[in-house]
Amino acid sequence: NAGVTQTPKFRVLKTGQSMTLLCAQDMNHEYMYWYRQDPGMGLRLIHYSVGEGTTAKGEVPDGYNVSRLKKQNFLLGLESAAPSQTSVYFCASSPQRGTDTQYFGPGTRLTVL
Amino acid sequence: GQNIDQPTEMTATEGAIVQINCTYQTSGFNGLFWYQQHAGEAPTFLSYNVLDGLEEKGRFSSFLSRSKGYSYLLLKELQMKDSASYLCAVIKEGGGATNKLIFGTGTLLAVQP
Repeated sequence: NAGVTQTPKFRVLKTGQSMTLLCAQDMNHEYMYWYRQDPGMGLRLIHYSVGEGTTAKGEVPDGYNVSRLKKQNFLLGLESAAPSQTSVYFCASSPQRGTDTQYFGPGTRLTVL
Repeated sequence: GQNIDQPTEMTATEGAIVQINCTYQTSGFNGLFWYQQHAGEAPTFLSYNVLDGLEEKGRFSSFLSRSKGYSYLLLKELQMKDSASYLCAVIKEGGGATNKLIFGTGTLLAVQP
């Protein structure tokens, strides 16, 4: 049981480049989330999904898109990266309800130059 | 809106007891989590409180007072490996599937010999 995995672990982009972060979970969880973590800011919710084929905006969705085509995968896309998107990105999943414990992936450290 | 406050940093001695406080102001409160995060790693679940009172789990205990908007995490018999950030997170009710987890900025605990 791998839990929640994220690909890649590190990435450096130039301003304007695009990329996709992949999150996968093997716990059959319904809910999946994408957060970013910045110094002094805490974890902030970017987008989330309450089931396959559904997505919704979180606290800081601008500049990001997501897709949940398969229950086990949740993709986060940056269409045109900006230096303000330099951050550590965490994916999480939870079994069913919004009050269930969230399980986090190891994170992706992204630097935009 | 919502606001979660935790001390930024704390220092304690190995073998001692430390209490990390969290105060919150949020509409639609639906529970509170404590997570532990070691440097460069993912947050991991420590405790969940939804009712007033103390939840004990080994060396870690968490307390909640909903009327005061207050929680604390108590760590006993401190070990060097307890050096980490401790994140307080409040579940904000959004109606069924849209409950969201709002994180504080975390308390960095340094355990000294």
